[in-house]
Amino acid sequence: QKEVEQDPGPLSVPEGAIVSLNCTYSNSAFQYFMWYRQYSRKGPELLMYTYSSGNKEDGRFTAQVDKSSKYISLFIRDSQPSDSATYLCAMSLILTGGGNKLTFGTGTQLKVEL
Amino acid sequence: ETGVTQTPRHLVMGMTNKKSLKCEQHLGHNAMYWYKQSAKKPLELMFVYSLEERVENNSVPSRFSPECPNSSHLFLHLHTLQPEDSALYLCASSQGEGFYEQYFGPGTRLTVT
Repeated sequence: QKEVEQDPGPLSVPEGAIVSLNCTYSNSAFQYFMWYRQYSRKGPELLMYTYSSGNKEDGRFTAQVDKSSKYISLFIRDSQPSDSATYLCAMSLILTGGGNKLTFGTGTQLKVEL
Repeated sequence: ETGVTQTPRHLVMGMTNKKSLKCEQHLGHNAMYWYKQSAKKPLELMFVYSLEERVENNSVPSRFSPECPNSSHLFLHLHTLQPEDSALYLCASSQGEGFYEQYFGPGTRLTVT
């Protein structure tokens, strides 16, 4: 079983739709939960991160974590064509020597159509 | 230059070649990372350096050899690679202690022929 499972898509939605992206994980030791966005030919960029169960909102984006179910979600409201990208969930463990170890899902490719 | 830069952006090498990938961060961070991104697979952590010391080696084959001469520079030395090593190699940096955001470079697209 993979430590992090994510549906690779592709997911195609019309402009203005609400998008729901999800990941499940198996390692209960993960401490932080992140969503990265990666455009074609670019490195991933951090969208949001959360530590505890619950919701965190930032503009059109809402991240949700349910530690009891080992399930995280990202919701995008009023989706725009510029949101078309690959969305990667990631889970973090802090390393005792410094830095932190991220474990990623495979990424979900999203296309928002006009 | 700002953020995290990587050179070269594209590299084609034969299986008997030796080459190096370079990463430089301009963010004042003290932790640096190498990741491998293959098609249809998750981003895989390869190495972590904190204050120029290697703190994590994620069971990477010895044909990949990292080097961190200072907190701003990270290299990945490659030798006798296999075609399955063809991938996008991403460098990232962050502050060291505790949880901090990792900032990624644009990656080096490596093709092994």
